[in-house]
Amino acid sequence: DAGITQSPRHKVTETGTPVTLRCHQTENHRYMYWYRQDPGHGLRLIHYSYGVKDTDKGEVSDGYSVSRSKTEDFLLTLESATSSQTSVYFCAISGILQETQYFGPGTRLLVL
Amino acid sequence: RKEVEQDPGPFNVPEGATVAFNCTYSNSASQSFFWYRQDCRKEPKLLMSVYSSGNEDGRFTAQLNRASQYISLLIRDSKLSDSATYLCVVSLSGSARQLTFGSGTQLTVLP
Repeated sequence: DAGITQSPRHKVTETGTPVTLRCHQTENHRYMYWYRQDPGHGLRLIHYSYGVKDTDKGEVSDGYSVSRSKTEDFLLTLESATSSQTSVYFCAISGILQETQYFGPGTRLLVL
Repeated sequence: RKEVEQDPGPFNVPEGATVAFNCTYSNSASQSFFWYRQDCRKEPKLLMSVYSSGNEDGRFTAQLNRASQYISLLIRDSKLSDSATYLCVVSLSGSARQLTFGSGTQLTVLP
């Protein structure tokens, strides 16, 4: 299995609070991604990174920001959490073939 | 209309059965196709890529029909361990920004 960890694995928070999710990889892959998965929807790309300090928006980026200061870490921040951001968040990594992605174990976030 | 559509199932089949899933995609410019597998409350994992000529990996066969814009996955001799949700994934290009995941088809293989 690819060396990807996510923290925390579960989180309950209140509306309006900031939340940061961490993705850590030991594979030295260039590309890192944040997705959310909701019932009835496929995985949807929030943001991705193609190198240190290089990030770009995905399909559902509103309300989220990211940072990548090191190759191995990719942070996802919800500046002010809303109930609509209750979801399962997956981090993924890939090499040059961006379509072949390896996913972390996920973070279950509940915003009350 | 969703870009990638799958029958959500669930498909409940006995061990040893053959089961097929279909997936349709809306963008005719799509170039690459994949099947991912996701176990309950786990992360998705790449099962196989789908090539134009069709391809096989053990008990799994994937087919692509560009004219009709659908992809299929056939599982022969189903095992209990095949129980999972199967995600159809379509890419317009090599960029992750143009990767679209279907919402998945749930399979349960019964003893």
